[in-house]
Amino acid sequence: SAVISQKPSRDICQRGTSLTIQCQVDSQVTMMFWYRQQPGQSLTLIATANQGSEATYESGFVIDKFPISRPNLTFSTLTVSNMSPEDSSIYLCSVGQGRWAPQHFGDGTRLSIL
Amino acid sequence: GESVGLHLPTLSVQEGDNSIINCAYSNSASDYFIWYKQESGKGPQFIIDIRSNMDKRQGQRVTVLLNKTVKHLSLQIAATQPGDSAVYFCAESPSGGYNKLIFGAGTRLAVHP
Repeated sequence: SAVISQKPSRDICQRGTSLTIQCQVDSQVTMMFWYRQQPGQSLTLIATANQGSEATYESGFVIDKFPISRPNLTFSTLTVSNMSPEDSSIYLCSVGQGRWAPQHFGDGTRLSIL
Repeated sequence: GESVGLHLPTLSVQEGDNSIINCAYSNSASDYFIWYKQESGKGPQFIIDIRSNMDKRQGQRVTVLLNKTVKHLSLQIAATQPGDSAVYFCAESPSGGYNKLIFGAGTRLAVHP
């Protein structure tokens, strides 16, 4: 399966600031996704990163708060904007290669907001 | 450390025993299901998947059972090892939602020697 690298692996940020998380894949992939995993909880899909067009956001997530870019088939970024302590979570990038293929995940970015 | 699985239900088993992890899924129209294993500090790792036209699928030491009537999924791990200790998540893919996954709450598996 594809090797997925996320940067940074962790960060501690001040409230009100923004952080951009990068996801790099070692091969071209059809689908890229961003998830949030709040402390002690399961994963929730934030959005599907679409190559060459605007991301598709899930209910409860908006572009102004979580702008996403996907300039090509191997790279995507997620920005967490105007951060508050409630944004402290693990943010995970995943890739999918088809309707009946499992998504594969990076190791995530552990974000703490002070 | 981090708090993955901190507040999740825990299944405790002895090394060598078989483990069964259960999951109730939400959408009767879901047609693809996946089990993931998440270790501390890591992203979810794919274990096994099953499509809705099947009710059982076997892998190496793992078996997934699907009961669509009651919307229930289970993961059986044979001869559980300490390295199996992790949080396990089921995920469902709604029909028509291309590759979209909805994750279950998760279960922590603790294997004791």
